[in-house]
Amino acid sequence: SQTIHQWPATLVQPVGSPLSLECTVEGTSNPNLYWYRQAAGRGLQLLFYSVGIGQISSEVPQNLSASRPQDRQFILSSKKLLLSDSGFYLCAWRRGESTDTQYFGPGTRLTVL
Amino acid sequence: RKEVEQDPGPFNVPEGATVAFNCTYSNSASQSFFWYRQDCRKEPKLLMSVYSSGNEDGRFTAQLNRASQYISLLIRDSKLSDSATYLCVVTRPQGFSGGYNKLIFGAGTRLAVHP
Repeated sequence: SQTIHQWPATLVQPVGSPLSLECTVEGTSNPNLYWYRQAAGRGLQLLFYSVGIGQISSEVPQNLSASRPQDRQFILSSKKLLLSDSGFYLCAWRRGESTDTQYFGPGTRLTVL
Repeated sequence: RKEVEQDPGPFNVPEGATVAFNCTYSNSASQSFFWYRQDCRKEPKLLMSVYSSGNEDGRFTAQLNRASQYISLLIRDSKLSDSATYLCVVTRPQGFSGGYNKLIFGAGTRLAVHP
């Protein structure tokens, strides 16, 4: 069966510090991978998606970036965090092109102070 | 107008009650529809896909009306464990060959089931 991991689970960072969040998927190959952010009391906002190694599409302009160095690894980064980057970051995967269903990892709760 | 709209609630219902959630979407090209459940401070989990013919999974029934661009979720015999936020999700086609269908999430409807 497929599982998706994210770490860290929680993170408190000062404004201006760098960020690296990691997501890995097990039990599948060549998944489509996604990064979402959910601000407090808000809906999910798609940040990035990737259909393969080194292939990243950005949905919204921001100070975040994403990378996919391996087939089942997706990384979200920032060089300098802003207060507005606080939120619940969720990684999701989709099995190829035959389905629209996405499955989410446990998420990382980021607080920028 | 939001692409997916839901009543934010909260819906406070006693155990055993039947509760219905409604959702409307604005993009007539949407092809896939889902209900996800999100517990407090947890990730969304797929509850069920929604098909044009309607579908049922135990106490949960989902309906889709493409003409009205309306989706519903009915929960019968509510349990305490049903307390959560229910997210209505539709796809937005990207309009190019090989492009994936982006998921658009409603803000969610909160359900609180009490003894």
